[in-house]
Amino acid sequence: NAGVTQTPKFQVLKTGQSMTLQCAQDMNHEYMSWYRQDPGMGLRLIHYSVGAGITDQGEVPNGYNVSRSTTEDFPLRLLSAAPSQTSVYFCASSYSPEPYEQYFGPGTRLTVT
Amino acid sequence: AQTVTQSQPEMSVQEAETVTLSCTYDTSENNYYLFWYKQPPSRQMILVIRQEAYKQQNATENRFSVNFQKAAKSFSLKISDSQLGDTAMYFCAFDYGGSQGNLIFGKGTKLSVKP
Repeated sequence: NAGVTQTPKFQVLKTGQSMTLQCAQDMNHEYMSWYRQDPGMGLRLIHYSVGAGITDQGEVPNGYNVSRSTTEDFPLRLLSAAPSQTSVYFCASSYSPEPYEQYFGPGTRLTVT
Repeated sequence: AQTVTQSQPEMSVQEAETVTLSCTYDTSENNYYLFWYKQPPSRQMILVIRQEAYKQQNATENRFSVNFQKAAKSFSLKISDSQLGDTAMYFCAFDYGGSQGNLIFGKGTKLSVKP
C-alpha cells in the first residue's frame, strides 16, 4: 500500500493563478479531508468528503473547491491563488467519518507570491 | 464549539529523561476521542496515541502514555526515556461522534531532545 499520496510536494504560484493539489489513497477509505497548516497554528480543516460524490465545507473553505468522483481521489482546487493561501496542505483519509485514526499524506508546501 | 489548547509552545528535555506535554480541551460532547500526533522535520503527521473518552484506563504505547482527566478536560502526553528521534512538533487533537471526522487541533508544542 502506498497509503495517502500527494502531488506536488512543492509549488510556487503567482497571485491569481489557479492550480489543483492532487490527493490519492489506495486503502479504500470512504472519508477524505484537506487541512492547511500555517506557522504557529495547528491544522485547520478546509473541505472533507464522506464518500464518492459527497463533499462538505470545513472551517476555512473560502478560495478552495473540491470534488470526489472516485473513492481513491480527492483533489483540491485553488481558484485564484492569493498570498493568504501560502501554507502547507495535508490530505488525510480514514475508514469512516466516525472518530478513527486518520492517515495523512506527506503534505504540499505552497507559496503564493 | 470545541477547542484544544496547548499552553507550551516549546519544550526541551535531555536524552533518556521524561517529559510531559500538556493539552486541555473544551467540549460539551460526552462521546469523543483524543489524539496525539507527532510531526517530525519531515513534515509527516504520525499518530502517537489515541484515547477514547469512555475508557477510564489511560492509553499507553511503548514509551508514550497519557494522563486523561475527563472532569478536568485534560489530556497530557508523557514521553519516557526520551530519544533524539522524538524531536518533533506534537499536536493534541480532538474528535467526536458525529463530527464527520473533523479533527480539531491544538497549536502544537515543539519538543527538542538534547544529547
